[in-house]
Amino acid sequence: KAGVTQTPRYLIKTRGQQVTLSCSPISGHRSVSWYQQTPGQGLQFLFEYFSETQRNKGNFPGRFSGRQFSNSRSEMNVSTLELGDSALYLCASSYGTGTGNTIYFGEGSWLTVV
Amino acid sequence: GEDVEQSLFLSVREGDSSVINCTYTDSSSTYLYWYKQEPGAGLQLLTYIFSNMDMKQDQRLTVLLNKKDKHLSLRIADTQTGDSAIYFCAVVQRDDKIIFGKGTRLHILP
Repeated sequence: KAGVTQTPRYLIKTRGQQVTLSCSPISGHRSVSWYQQTPGQGLQFLFEYFSETQRNKGNFPGRFSGRQFSNSRSEMNVSTLELGDSALYLCASSYGTGTGNTIYFGEGSWLTVV
Repeated sequence: GEDVEQSLFLSVREGDSSVINCTYTDSSSTYLYWYKQEPGAGLQLLTYIFSNMDMKQDQRLTVLLNKKDKHLSLRIADTQTGDSAIYFCAVVQRDDKIIFGKGTRLHILP
């Protein structure tokens, strides 16, 4: 069974640009979560989608958005990029949602904003 | 909200046992996880424990949970160079959000 797949793995963007990251969950998984990982802040929860609906949201500005498609694939978008958005963006999937559903992570997308 | 604390670094000699500690604040947490992150990679689920358990063993890994003190630990027996990584403790909050600690970097000494 293929794991969680994230694309692209690495990308460099300029301040003010926007970026879209993609995540394909494990086959059969319907929940997708996104996390931002930085050395200073650690892993911070961005949002969770389940059956195309945003179920939970972290404390990030509106520049960060996401969506989920009917095949459970998910994308996240960051508009008007800032230097501080440079981070590893991790996607995770689980079969269901809520307590008891173990999440499995992808390898992440490394975003550098210059 | 939930707060999860871990020490940032741990150095252990190859062949010794490593013990990585974690404390959390939400006593209603039901699932507690340990993840491993190797350089340049995502997080790999190592093991998890339910809050109604106080110990779980899985090969070289032993998880201990002290609910009264809100303390979770991960013991790695016979630590090998391949165990060098960052280890994250994660706790499921009341609203089902998963809160991660900042990670403990395990360094193996020859």
